[in-house]
Amino acid sequence: QQQVKQSPQSLIVQKGGIPIINCAYENTAFDYFPWYQQFPGKGPALLIAIRPDVSEKKEGRFTISFNKSAKQFSLHIMDSQPGDSATYFCAASDFAGSNYKLTFGKGTLLTVNP
Amino acid sequence: DVKVTQSSRYLVKRTGEKVFLECVQDMDHENMFWYRQDPGLGLRLIYFSYDVKMKEKGDIPEGYSVSREKKERFSLILESASTNQTSMYLCASSLTTRFYEQFFGPGTRLTVL
Repeated sequence: QQQVKQSPQSLIVQKGGIPIINCAYENTAFDYFPWYQQFPGKGPALLIAIRPDVSEKKEGRFTISFNKSAKQFSLHIMDSQPGDSATYFCAASDFAGSNYKLTFGKGTLLTVNP
Repeated sequence: DVKVTQSSRYLVKRTGEKVFLECVQDMDHENMFWYRQDPGLGLRLIYFSYDVKMKEKGDIPEGYSVSREKKERFSLILESASTNQTSMYLCASSLTTRFYEQFFGPGTRLTVL
């Protein structure tokens, strides 16, 4: 059962473009929405995170937009660079049993061409 | 520098073997997690632990067990490895106060023949 749906599966943009990755969820118990970035041969690393009471959050060239009523959130990368080429995962957290856990989307492979 | 280490980067085992994957974190984190990562399926949670000797099932616990005898160490056990357990296994840890930020190890690529 996929609780966080992520699209697209892969994305190719030119340097300077603005790739957008979208995620949707159904579980209204989700209460925090992080994005992770994974380079080949490495584990994922937290990129940026947003709470559901905030509609937008920016950190450098990365922006999360959050639409609580639509249960959707997205990642925008401004002025994308070849070094941004990686797999991106959206995630959502909820309190399960006795502690928090994350549910991840299936990932988006981003390629930024020079 | 925060660190999560996994005992092996690559591992090849035979069907039916018992397999141990070890994970150690040096950040004094309360929570530790085991995921498997497969192409097109993303990261799926196998088990997690929020305290020593405590464990919770994740989304795909079948065929796996875990052990956490010390705060810094979390082990994943495949009692009888099968070919469908060939995968990348990722360990992660987090603080309860920053539960959305998990620190991942580099992963163990397990092949079961």
